[in-house]
Formats: sequence, C-alpha cells, structure tokens
Amino acid sequence: NAGVTQTPKFQVLKTGQSMTLQCAQDMNHNSMYWYRQDPGMGLRLIYYSASEGTTDKGEVPNGYNVSRLNKREFSLRLESAAPSQTSVYFCASGARTKGEQYFGPGTRLTVT
Amino acid sequence: AQKITQTQPGMFVQEKEAVTLDCTYDTSDQSYGLFWYKQPSSGEMIFLIYQGSYDEQNATEGRYSLNFQKARKSANLVISASQLGDSAMYFCAMIPSHRMGGATNKLIFGTGTLLAVQP
Repeated sequence: NAGVTQTPKFQVLKTGQSMTLQCAQDMNHNSMYWYRQDPGMGLRLIYYSASEGTTDKGEVPNGYNVSRLNKREFSLRLESAAPSQTSVYFCASGARTKGEQYFGPGTRLTVT
Repeated sequence: AQKITQTQPGMFVQEKEAVTLDCTYDTSDQSYGLFWYKQPSSGEMIFLIYQGSYDEQNATEGRYSLNFQKARKSANLVISASQLGDSAMYFCAMIPSHRMGGATNKLIFGTGTLLAVQP
C-alpha cells in the first residue's frame, strides 16, 4: 500500500502562475484534507472533503480551489500564485474510527 | 476558542532517558480526540497516538504514552527510553468535536516542539 501520495515534491512558481497539486490515497477513506505548514505556525487546514462530491473551506482557503475527483483523489489548485503561498503543502486522508489522519510526503512550493 | 498550545519550542534529552512533551488544549465540546504526530527532518507527518475524551485509561503505543489530565485540559506525550531516531518535531493536535465515524473530523494543530536526543 502506498498510503497517501502527492505530486510534485518540489515546485517553484513565479507570481501569477497557476498550478495544481495532486493527491491520491489507497486506504479507502471517505475524508481528505489539504493543509499548509509554515514555520512557527504548525499545520493549518485549507480545504477538506468529507466524501466524494463534497468540499468545504478550512481555516485558510483564500487563493485556493479544490476538486474531489473521486474517492481516491483530491487536488488543490492555485489559480494565481502569490509569494504568501510559499509553504509546504500536505494532503491527508482520515480514518472514520478514531479520526486519525494519514499524511502524504508533502509538496514544497516556492513562489518568487 | 478551540486551540492547542505547546509551550516548549525545543527540548533536549539524553539517550535512554524519558521525556515529556507538554500540550494543553481548549475546547468546550465534551467529545473530542487528541493526537500526537511526529515530523522527522525528512518532513513526513507520522501518526503516533490517540486519546479520546471519554477514554478512562491513558493511551499507550509502545514507548509512547499520553498523560491525559482532563480537568487540567492537558495531553502530554511521554517518550520512554529515548533513542536517537526520536529526534524530530512533535505536534499535538485535536479534533474538537469528535464523533466516532464522523466524516468531518478536522484536526487543529499546535505549533510543535522540536526534540533533540543527545548520545
């Protein structure tokens, strides 16, 4: 089992460019999440999807859009990247029992 | 406000000794879940241990145990017999309104404690 996979691992964008971060899980979890991690601030929730076909905003959704393509895949799109979006992005999927979440390896994004 | 507080930005421990990482939380919900994650220098987030608010016993997973004091709203992580591989950032997290089987269990994270294990 691969668990949660993310692509790409690293990305450098210029201000105003767009890109999509891909995430897939093979644990048959209903819920999936996108977080960003900034120094000294822990992880903050950007968007989440409780089930296929539904998405909701988290704590810091501005500047992002998401798509829950199917049960396995949940993508995060930056339409017009800004330097403030320089961060490490983590995708996670959540188990229904205890609610623990399993994380992908992260994407390190730099916007210049 | 629902919040996780980790007051120790960094800690040192000697190899083979035990160490306690502090975590306090704030929620008005009666049913909540508490979690600890480990983030080594390679960057991945690794789930370590879970404690439910209604669990009467402290959770344990191998060398990890969670010292749960509900009245004090604290959920400290205890690592026994520290190893060099335990050097990492540790995050405490909470699902503030936790329903078993719930589909929208959103985690709130603390800012983390960086643990360094010295030989």
